[in-house]
Amino acid sequence: NAGVTQTPKFQVLKTGQSMTLQCAQDMNHNSMYWYRQDPGMGLRLIYYSASEGTTDKGEVPNGYNVSRLNKREFSLRLESAAPSQTSVYFCASREGLSGTGRQETQYFGPGTRLLVL
Amino acid sequence: EDQVTQSPEALRLQEGESSSLNCSYTVSGLRGLFWYRQDPGKGPEFLFTLYSAGEEKEKERLKATLTKKESFLHITAPKPEDSATYLCAVQANDYKLSFGAGTTVTVRA
Repeated sequence: NAGVTQTPKFQVLKTGQSMTLQCAQDMNHNSMYWYRQDPGMGLRLIYYSASEGTTDKGEVPNGYNVSRLNKREFSLRLESAAPSQTSVYFCASREGLSGTGRQETQYFGPGTRLLVL
Repeated sequence: EDQVTQSPEALRLQEGESSSLNCSYTVSGLRGLFWYRQDPGKGPEFLFTLYSAGEEKEKERLKATLTKKESFLHITAPKPEDSATYLCAVQANDYKLSFGAGTTVTVRA
């Protein structure tokens, strides 16, 4: 199992350019997430998809759009990149609630480092 | 609003010098507290989940404990390979985690 994979690993964009970050998981998880990580601020949730066919805004959704393509894939799109979107982006997935009703763990991908000039 | 505060921001230890990291939280209805380890340039790696006050989990030199207001990650006799950033996160609803900013641990040989 590869777990959670992300492409690309690194990208440089000019202000105003658009791009799509790709994420795929092979663990048959229901929920998928996009976070950004900035120095001193921890991981902040951008968007999430609780299950295939649904998406919801997180803490910092402005300037982003997402698509849950199927159960495996969840993409993040920047329509018009801004320097404030320079960050490291992480995708995560989670099965959902366990049979006991307890919260299942989120598993993270290796990240995409984005620099917007 | 859920709040997670980790302290200290950075911790420098000598090999074998035990210490503790703190994660204090404010959340309406804790459903789980998670500890992750993050190495430079990599994604967070899951360590532990704690669900209720009094619960403890151990893995090698790491031990996590939970009270109603905070969690501690104890590192016993650390080695240089324990150097990493340790992240704490709380879950207050079915889907979303709230993360602290992390504690960066450096262990010198």
